[in-house]
Amino acid sequence: QEQLVESGGGVVQPGRSLTLSCAASGFTFSDYSLHWVRQAPGKGLQWVAFMSSDETNKDYAESVRGRFTISRDKFKNTLHLHMTSLRPDDTAVYYCARDRRRVVTSYIMDVWGQGTTVTVSS
Amino acid sequence: EIVMTQSPASLPVTPGEPASISCRSSQSLLYSNGFIYLQWYLQKPGQSPQLLIYLGSNRASGVPDRFSGSGSGTDFTLKISRVEPEDVGVYYCGQTLQTPTFGQGTKLEIK
Repeated sequence: QEQLVESGGGVVQPGRSLTLSCAASGFTFSDYSLHWVRQAPGKGLQWVAFMSSDETNKDYAESVRGRFTISRDKFKNTLHLHMTSLRPDDTAVYYCARDRRRVVTSYIMDVWGQGTTVTVSS
Repeated sequence: EIVMTQSPASLPVTPGEPASISCRSSQSLLYSNGFIYLQWYLQKPGQSPQLLIYLGSNRASGVPDRFSGSGSGTDFTLKISRVEPEDVGVYYCGQTLQTPTFGQGTKLEIK
């Protein structure tokens, strides 16, 4: 079945970097845009970034633009989020999510991973 | 940024009874193409969010027909015709007219 599995979370000091990964299976990876969405402890959902199916388009939330970089590896069916200059307010569970529509980006997310936890603390 | 506001924050419901959650956006989510760029998600305890309703009123695959979405412009409603124990969790509305934003969530609990 369609599945997304995140990895790479952990505890990191402020100012340091971390890369998250999301392994996709059960669907044609290159057909779908993919997103990162995060959830701070006890808080709601915040969209972080997306990359289009053909890798030509990407966008970021204002709060992470210039610090986070999204990328995807079509040969390994994997999405990445490289996070630099991490701050305590980046602490959250980071979810990888698939866009509902093939080829076109709708920003509607219909398949979600289980999440990976990032804690930024000294 | 479009701000999404949900009410109530908490909703205790007796099984078998209906439930209704409201969501208001800071600007209209009705686009010129006629689509309403409003979604509903449910995050069950200890789980990832799941898509319930997309584009205002369309049930996602596998979602029971006791869930329905309605509304237009800036005011939207998620209705559950008869609440089941497995419907417990936090419900989020979210807009995709611009950079996606979500409401703060409504926690549905069983009385």
